[in-house]
Amino acid sequence: NAGVTQTPKFQVLKTGQSMTLQCAQDMNHEYMSWYRQDPGMGLRLIHYSVGAGITDQGEVPNGYNVSRSTTEDFPLRLLSAAPSQTSVYFCASSYTGGNTQYFGPGTRLTVL
Amino acid sequence: QQQVKQSPQSLIVQKGGIPIINCAYENTAFDYFPWYQQFPGKGPALLIAIRPDVSEKKEGRFTISFNKSAKQFSLHIMDSQPGDSATYFCAARLYGKLTFGQGTILTVHP
Repeated sequence: NAGVTQTPKFQVLKTGQSMTLQCAQDMNHEYMSWYRQDPGMGLRLIHYSVGAGITDQGEVPNGYNVSRSTTEDFPLRLLSAAPSQTSVYFCASSYTGGNTQYFGPGTRLTVL
Repeated sequence: QQQVKQSPQSLIVQKGGIPIINCAYENTAFDYFPWYQQFPGKGPALLIAIRPDVSEKKEGRFTISFNKSAKQFSLHIMDSQPGDSATYFCAARLYGKLTFGQGTILTVHP
């Protein structure tokens, strides 16, 4: 099992550009989520999904879109990047009701 | 609204010391309290966790102490080693969603 994979590992964008951060898992987990990690702020939930076709907002959803067309994939879209979105982004997955969330290796995004 | 507060922000101990990281929560509906460990350049990984009906849980050198009435819980690392140097996050779960503390950067000197 590859677990949770994320691409790219690093990305630099200019203000106003759009991009998609990819996340995939091969553990057949129903629950997937996106977090951003900023110094002194911990990890904050952006969006989450409890299964294919079902998504919902977390604590900091503004500026981000998600979709869940398959169980395996949960991409995060930045529609118009802003410097405030400079962060490290983590995708995670778990069984619904499961006690362990498995995190991917992260994507470090810089918006100039 | 920050529902889980973690302290200290950073902690330095000597090898063999017992670092203690504290967390406080507000929402009594949280049903599960995990600790995650994160090494530089990696994603967080579950270290140990506790349910609110248990006052203490030990796994190897790691212990969680849980005080339900005070709405506080803490992580103790016995006989700390340089390899324990990492960032530690406490978290609390509600309806499957995790709320994380701010993180503690632990450094264990040889």
